[in-house]
Amino acid sequence: GNSVTQMEGPVTLSEEAFLTINCTYTATGYPSLFWYVQYPGEGLQLLLKATKADDKGSNKGFEATYRKETTSFHLEKGSVQVSDSAVYFCALRRITGNQFYFGTGTSLTVIP
Amino acid sequence: DTEVTQTPKHLVMGMTNKKSLKCEQHMGHRAMYWYKQKAKKPPELMFVYSYEKLSINESVPSRFSPECPNSSLLNLHLHALQPEDSALYLCASSHGGQSNQPQHFGDGTRLSIL
Repeated sequence: GNSVTQMEGPVTLSEEAFLTINCTYTATGYPSLFWYVQYPGEGLQLLLKATKADDKGSNKGFEATYRKETTSFHLEKGSVQVSDSAVYFCALRRITGNQFYFGTGTSLTVIP
Repeated sequence: DTEVTQTPKHLVMGMTNKKSLKCEQHMGHRAMYWYKQKAKKPPELMFVYSYEKLSINESVPSRFSPECPNSSLLNLHLHALQPEDSALYLCASSHGGQSNQPQHFGDGTRLSIL
């Protein structure tokens, strides 16, 4: 089947710290992979994506690399800001069809 | 600003009321979705429409009734809801059948059942 396993939270970091949120997946074939961010009171916003092995998605200082050999798509940022405080969801889309699968979400709080 | 527009943003209703949630997108997407999200949880898929036809119903109770009048609009009709149905309801859209394209979400309707 298809599933996404995401690092449990919550995560609390000081400003300018390094961030890693782990995400691994199970899927048939070669799915597309996404990171979404949800700020309080809002919907999910696409943060970055990767559609094939070794692709690196990046946006707003966040990066994630599609690793087929380890079935992983870990999110990283070198220096977090208070404004990065949000919930982060890893997701995959199957190679066929319209269904998406989400991880459980990781809540990040960045303190000044 | 999101490209998927949901109305209303907030809704309070009694268990005997009938109301509807609305969702609109003008990105030419042919797949549209309803999700339910509880606090601190991931979105739970409810329904998927593909080219205006219902393609997935995740065993949702019949008190929720989806409708896709055209390729830009998606409605969710609500009737006789229960307190446990209180949640954030998210609409999303994506390119139909193109597996490398993401979903785009609206900001949701916060629903409270009294």
